[in-house]
Amino acid sequence: QKEVEQDPGPLSVPEGAIVSLNCTYSNSAFQYFMWYRQYSRKGPELLMYTYSSGNKEDGRFTAQVDKSSKYISLFIRDSQPSDSATYLCAMSAIDDYKLSFGAGTTVTVRA
Amino acid sequence: DTGVSQNPRHKITKRGQNVTFRCDPISEHNRLYWYRQTLGQGPEFLTYFQNEAQLEKSRLLSDRFSAERPKGSFSTLEIQRTEQGDSAMYLCASSGDGFYGYTFGSGTRLTVV
Repeated sequence: QKEVEQDPGPLSVPEGAIVSLNCTYSNSAFQYFMWYRQYSRKGPELLMYTYSSGNKEDGRFTAQVDKSSKYISLFIRDSQPSDSATYLCAMSAIDDYKLSFGAGTTVTVRA
Repeated sequence: DTGVSQNPRHKITKRGQNVTFRCDPISEHNRLYWYRQTLGQGPEFLTYFQNEAQLEKSRLLSDRFSAERPKGSFSTLEIQRTEQGDSAMYLCASSGDGFYGYTFGSGTRLTVV
């Protein structure tokens, strides 16, 4: 079993819909949680960064962390065709600078 | 500073040849990381440096792989005697103190034929 599980999709939604993405993990030491966006043939780009449990909002993006359930989510409101990409969750423990990534979910927003 | 720079962007090599990739991190970042990503998978950790010291290596980093970061600036990743299984995207990233996530480069795509 992988340390971080993420449904690879693909996920296809109409423009303006809410996109809901999630990951589960098994390592209870994880404290830092991140979401990256990756366009085809490009490197991952950091979207959201949270520490421990709770919610964080940045524009159309909301990240949620539930450590009791070992479950993290990313919501994209008012989705746009430019949001079409692969979304990767990543996490790490305190004082451990390497990241454990999910496999990524491919999202297509239809115009 | 325009971010993390990786060269070359693409490399095609014959099996058994040696290849070397270069990464130039964001200048004020003291940590530099190498990851490998295959199609349909998330990046997998290979190694990381704090300044010029290589602090951790993954078991994925076989004896054929070596990484350096002389003077704590740019880094190189060398793969000796390449195998077809080495075909992947090799990603470099950097971060500063406080660790608010990484900044990744665009990667070097290696194809071993």
